[in-house]
Amino acid sequence: SQELEQSPQSLIVQEGKNLTINCTSSKTLYGLYWYKQKYGEGLIFLMMLQKGGEEKSHEKITAKLDEKKQQSSLHITASQPSHAGIYLCGAPTQGGSEKLVFGKGTKLTVNP
Amino acid sequence: DTAVSQTPKYLVTQMGNDKSIKCEQNLGHDTMYWYKQDSKKFLKIMFSYNNKELIINETVPNRFSPKSPDKAHLNLHINSLELGDSAVYFCASSLLSLRTTEAFFGQGTRLTVV
Repeated sequence: SQELEQSPQSLIVQEGKNLTINCTSSKTLYGLYWYKQKYGEGLIFLMMLQKGGEEKSHEKITAKLDEKKQQSSLHITASQPSHAGIYLCGAPTQGGSEKLVFGKGTKLTVNP
Repeated sequence: DTAVSQTPKYLVTQMGNDKSIKCEQNLGHDTMYWYKQDSKKFLKIMFSYNNKELIINETVPNRFSPKSPDKAHLNLHINSLELGDSAVYFCASSLLSLRTTEAFFGQGTRLTVV
C-alpha cells in the first residue's frame, strides 16, 4: 500500500522566516493534495498538483511536485502566525477504487 | 455557503450508545467519503460512496454503517460505541477521479466516548 512520509514532523519558526515541508511517497504519485488543519476547523484545501514539475502558489504558499523523486514540497515565504497549523499531504491511490492516503502531518508553529 | 457540512461538530456520549453523524455537500460532487483521524492526527479512509453506491469499505467494524440517501448526503451511524471510537470523523466529497479534481473536507465531528 502507498505511504506518504512528511518531514519534518514539527517545525517552529520565527515570524518572517521562510520554511519548507516535504512529502515523499513510497509509490508513483498521480497527483498530490495539500491541506491545512487548525484545531476545530477541519481540513482547508490549499492546492492540488497534478503533473510532474507543476508548481502552484496561493498567497505566500508555493507547492511543487517532483514526479521522478515521488515528492512534493510546500514552501511558505515570510511566515506569519496565521500560517500556524498542521499541514497534511494527501495522494490519490493507484488502481481500483480511488481514495486519498495521507501523511502524518507537519505541525507548524510561528512565533511572533 | 459551506461546501461540505457535518453535524454535529462535537459529540460526547457514553459507551454502548448509538449515534449518527450527518454530512451534506452542495458542490454537485458524485463521490463522498468518511475519514477517521486518530489521536495522533493520522487520517485514514473508512468509506466512500459514488452516487449512493458503496465503493470503499476499509475493514471498518460492522458497528459503523454509512448511509447515502442521495448523492449529496452521506451519514454515518455507529452502534454500540466503544472508547476506541473516540476520534475526529471527517466527511469529504469529490468528483469521481481524485487525480483530476479537488476533494473538499468538512469541518469534522469530534466524537468522545466516555
